[in-house]
Amino acid sequence: DIQMTQSPSSLSASVGDRVTITCRTSQNINNYLNWYQHKSGKAPKLLISAASNLQSGVPSRFSGSGSGTDFTLTISSLQPEDFATYYCQQTYSPPHTFGQGTKVEIK
Amino acid sequence: EVQLVESGGGLVQPGRSLRLSCAASGFTFGDYAMHWVRQGPGKGLEWVSGISGNSGTKTYVDSVKGRFTISRDNARNSLYLQMNSLRAEDTALYYCAKGRQVAPDAFDIWGQGTTVTVSS
Repeated sequence: DIQMTQSPSSLSASVGDRVTITCRTSQNINNYLNWYQHKSGKAPKLLISAASNLQSGVPSRFSGSGSGTDFTLTISSLQPEDFATYYCQQTYSPPHTFGQGTKVEIK
Repeated sequence: EVQLVESGGGLVQPGRSLRLSCAASGFTFGDYAMHWVRQGPGKGLEWVSGISGNSGTKTYVDSVKGRFTISRDNARNSLYLQMNSLRAEDTALYYCAKGRQVAPDAFDIWGQGTTVTVSS
């Protein structure tokens, strides 16, 4: 199985800050990497697919990059509605594992 | 409107069975792979199982192999998860999610989830 290492597990940031979350996989997954936002009591939301494809309706302050084994989610200017938990996920091969999650909290 | 609605969760004793359902609407159900994802109390997201559009391919996480069975009825626009020999560690909020038609896959529509509690 492909192992996912997501970091940090949590972070505190202020509105307007630039935030970076990283995800490393145990083997080459090309660009089969997605990012989700999950708020408590709500369904997870797909933000970025195929490592860097921003989903329709997702603000442009979100961006994704990387290929192979190392990937990054960046929020260029954190907004109040962005406080949530973020997960990476690989769909290169089953089981389609998720990272451990990064909880973004208000500083 | 594209929508997924899960049902069938509840409180069940260890060793017993439960069947989850997911009703889909707003898209051509049979064209897409579908998945079940769960979140245990205080835990992260865990992919559980997936099924191709024509049911030809079914995959599972190791912890549920031999106990859970995924299926679908494209005529009824419905996805199912038959869960047997339930354990306390299966306690979670279970989501169904829609996949993509082409690779790389991504889960672009999710339901609100149904809660399964395994306890005596």
